[in-house]
Amino acid sequence: QQQVKQSPQSLIVQKGGISIINCAYENTAFDYFPWYQQFPGKGPALLIAIRPDVSEKKEGRFTISFNKSAKQFSLHIMDSQPGDSATYFCAASIRQAGTASKLTFGTGTRLQVTL
Amino acid sequence: NAGVTQTPKFRVLKTGQSMTLLCAQDMNHEYMYWYRQDPGMGLRLIHYSVGEGTTAKGEVPDGYNVSRLKKQNFLLGLESAAPSQTSVYFCASSYSGQGVLYEQYFGPGTRLTVT
Repeated sequence: QQQVKQSPQSLIVQKGGISIINCAYENTAFDYFPWYQQFPGKGPALLIAIRPDVSEKKEGRFTISFNKSAKQFSLHIMDSQPGDSATYFCAASIRQAGTASKLTFGTGTRLQVTL
Repeated sequence: NAGVTQTPKFRVLKTGQSMTLLCAQDMNHEYMYWYRQDPGMGLRLIHYSVGEGTTAKGEVPDGYNVSRLKKQNFLLGLESAAPSQTSVYFCASSYSGQGVLYEQYFGPGTRLTVT
């Protein structure tokens, strides 16, 4: 059962354009939504994360928009650069006292930024 | 500070063979995780550990065993490899906290092929 659905599977954006990746979740108990960035041959690395008590979080060119009622969140990359070409994963988790909070990942979006 | 390291980087096994993947972290993290990454499926949690001597099942534990004899090491074992276990395996680690979700730091991955 896919608890976090991610789209699109792949995305091609011109340099300077806006990249938008969307995720939808089913479990309303999720209370932490990170985005991970993965370059070929490397492990994923945390890019930006949001909690459901805010609707937007911005860090540099990267913004998460969060819609709690629709159970959706998205990553926007402004002024996309060739160096942003990577695979992006959304994820969701529930904070649990006394044990590890397990991440549920989306299926990933391969972003290619062209010159 | 090497972060999270994984050994080996690549491995080819025949069906029925066994092997152990080693994960080591030097960040004094309490929690450690093993994921597998397959095309179109994102990352799925195999097993995790909340401390030395403790392990727990994740989303896809069948066919795998784990051990955490030392805080800095987390071993993933395949007793009788099957072609369905062909995947890229990632180890991750994070700090612990009561009801707090800390960033997971990922290793570079191990690409395993079972023929």
